[in-house]
Amino acid sequence: EIVLTQSPGTLSLSPGERATLSCRASETISRAFLAWYQHKPGRAPRLLIYGASYRATGIPDRFSGSGSGTDFTLTIIRLEPEDFAVYYCQQYGSSPQTFGQGTKVEIK
Amino acid sequence: QVHLQESGPGQLKPSETLSLTCTVSGGSVSNGAYYWNWIRQPPGKGLEWIGYVYYSGITKYKSSLKSRVAISGDMSKNQFSLKMSSVTVADTAVYYCAREPLIYSSSSYFDFWGQGTLVTVSS
Repeated sequence: EIVLTQSPGTLSLSPGERATLSCRASETISRAFLAWYQHKPGRAPRLLIYGASYRATGIPDRFSGSGSGTDFTLTIIRLEPEDFAVYYCQQYGSSPQTFGQGTKVEIK
Repeated sequence: QVHLQESGPGQLKPSETLSLTCTVSGGSVSNGAYYWNWIRQPPGKGLEWIGYVYYSGITKYKSSLKSRVAISGDMSKNQFSLKMSSVTVADTAVYYCAREPLIYSSSSYFDFWGQGTLVTVSS
């Protein structure tokens, strides 16, 4: 199965700053079938991005995704207080779907 | 807005059977445009896909769990359920249910999730 490695493990930033999260796959993800999720404790994970770069319904445009092949990036420009959370990537180009270990974006 | 809610016992002993139910509101488990999934996250570890059920009754499971897992749907109650037999401490995790839109015939992302329920396996 495809292994996804997210980096960094923790990102310490201030509101208003830019966050850049990386997701690297152990092999090429076909058709850029990669998604990103935001997860806050005790809450349901929230789909942010699918198809590597398509924002899900209702997701603010400060969230953007990019990448192809084995390297993908989630960028959050101008962090808002509600953006501090754990972010996961998920590939669905190969069965079984697999997830990264997560990047925690915390307030500096 | 689609809402999913997990329910079931939070404590089990080794060798028992885990049984969880996901109740869906704002959408229908009989909608052929979606798979209905279970995903889990052991403490301090990553997310792991377990399997899904389709409205027709078709199921698919992660190969390493296939021998112990069964997922089924109850259209009349708009619910779907997970059963996992012979649990061990390694099955301790937060269990999530999630909806997966069909994309052609391949796997997809999960557009709505429940908030999860912690299941602890301990003697």
